[in-house]
Amino acid sequence: GAGVSQSPSNKVTEKGKDVELRCDPISGHTALYWYRQSLGQGLEFLIYFQGNSAPDKSGLPSDRFSAERTGGSVSTLTIQRTQQEDSAVYLCASSLSTGLAGNEQFFGPGTRLTVL
Amino acid sequence: QKEVEQNSGPLSVPEGAIASLNCTYSDRGSQSFFWYRQYSGKSPELIMFIYSNGDKEDGRFTAQLNKASQYVSLLIRDSQPSDSATYLCAVNGAAGRRALTFGSGTRLQVQP
Repeated sequence: GAGVSQSPSNKVTEKGKDVELRCDPISGHTALYWYRQSLGQGLEFLIYFQGNSAPDKSGLPSDRFSAERTGGSVSTLTIQRTQQEDSAVYLCASSLSTGLAGNEQFFGPGTRLTVL
Repeated sequence: QKEVEQNSGPLSVPEGAIASLNCTYSDRGSQSFFWYRQYSGKSPELIMFIYSNGDKEDGRFTAQLNKASQYVSLLIRDSQPSDSATYLCAVNGAAGRRALTFGSGTRLQVQP
C-alpha cells in the first residue's frame, strides 16, 4: 500500500515568513511523528500524535513551532516567523500503534526547508 | 553522555564480508530498538527491529540486543556495495515516551 507522503518536497522561504508542511500517514496508522534532520546533525524529535490523546510536544524547539492533526489522519506542521536555523529536512513518520507491538515507525520522504 | 551512541565511521568492509555496527544507549527503561538505513539525500528506511534479548535474523541482517549491557548491534552478512549507507540506531523509551531517540549514525562503505 501507499507509504507516508509529505508535501511540499522542497520549500524555500524568506526569513520571517510562515510555512506549513503537510504529512499524510499510512492508512490505518494511529500514531504520527514529526522529526527534523539538520545538515550534519542527527534526527531530532519534534512532536507526536497518538489517536485522540493530547500530543506530546516536548520536542518543539520554540513556540514558533506548532502542529495539528485533523480527523486522526493528515497533520500540518507550522513554523511561524522562520529563522535561518530552521533550515532542515522535516520528516514525518507513522506507526500502527504505540504499544510494544506495532510501534515500528515508517518515514515519509521529507520536506527540505531552506530559509534565506 | 548522549542517549544513543554510535561510532560515526566510516566503517569500510570488502564486498562479501560481514559488517558489524554497534550502538549503546543510556535509558535502562528502553523497550524497543530499531535499525534504519539512510542513503544520502533520502529518508530513513526501517530494516530491523528487536524487543527481546538475543538475536533476530532477517535475511542477511541480524540484530542483537543485550539489555544488561545496554547494547544493540546489527550484523550484515555478505555485504554488497548497495549496502553502503548511513545506519541509524534508534531507541524507543519507556511507556509514555514513544518518540524515537536516534544515534548520529555509522557510515558504512562496502568496497567492491
